[in-house]
Amino acid sequence: EDQVTQSPEALRLQEGESSSLNCSYTVSGLRGLFWYRQDPGKGPEFLFTLYSAGEEKEKERLKATLTKKESFLHITAPKPEDSATYLCAVRYNQGGKLIFGQGTELSVKP
Amino acid sequence: DAGITQSPRHKVTETGTPVTLRCHQTENHRYMYWYRQDPGHGLRLIHYSYGVKDTDKGEVSDGYSVSRSKTEDFLLTLESATSSQTSVYFCAISESPGGSRSGNTIYFGEGSWLTVV
Repeated sequence: EDQVTQSPEALRLQEGESSSLNCSYTVSGLRGLFWYRQDPGKGPEFLFTLYSAGEEKEKERLKATLTKKESFLHITAPKPEDSATYLCAVRYNQGGKLIFGQGTELSVKP
Repeated sequence: DAGITQSPRHKVTETGTPVTLRCHQTENHRYMYWYRQDPGHGLRLIHYSYGVKDTDKGEVSDGYSVSRSKTEDFLLTLESATSSQTSVYFCAISESPGGSRSGNTIYFGEGSWLTVV
């Protein structure tokens, strides 16, 4: 069964405390792994797309990596404004449909 | 920000009434999607469209219908609203999934909060 699992469900960090979020997937024929950020009351905001194992993307304090079975979103020296829910999704066919994980709710305290 | 406008943003309706949510895009993207987001289930695809008058079902399509008569508009209709359809509904657009990498990204609107009482 095609599935996307994110862990942990919630993560609380102190400002400056680096950590990683995990997204594991079991789909065949991966056609892209997407990371989104979602603030309360808002729609998901696109962060990164990764296509092949070994690929990495960076944006400010965020770095996404991809292996054949999982992706990590590394957060370096986070700030309170990084607090949000981070969603992972995979596309596995030509139809453009995405399967989403349940998300990781990140809270960064000053 | 992707030019996606959803309306209404908030609606309360009674069980058994029909409801239509509208998504309007200014990006001229070919693909449009409707998702719902619920606690414990994440985002799930309801229906999507790959062109004018071309639509297909997603994983949770029962009780919903869609129409796309113009590139820029994608309508989601709850034919007879039920309490289980209380949710947040997100419209999304994509240029060319499966094609070029730049066109592969799906962008989301701000959501429509629907409460069925």
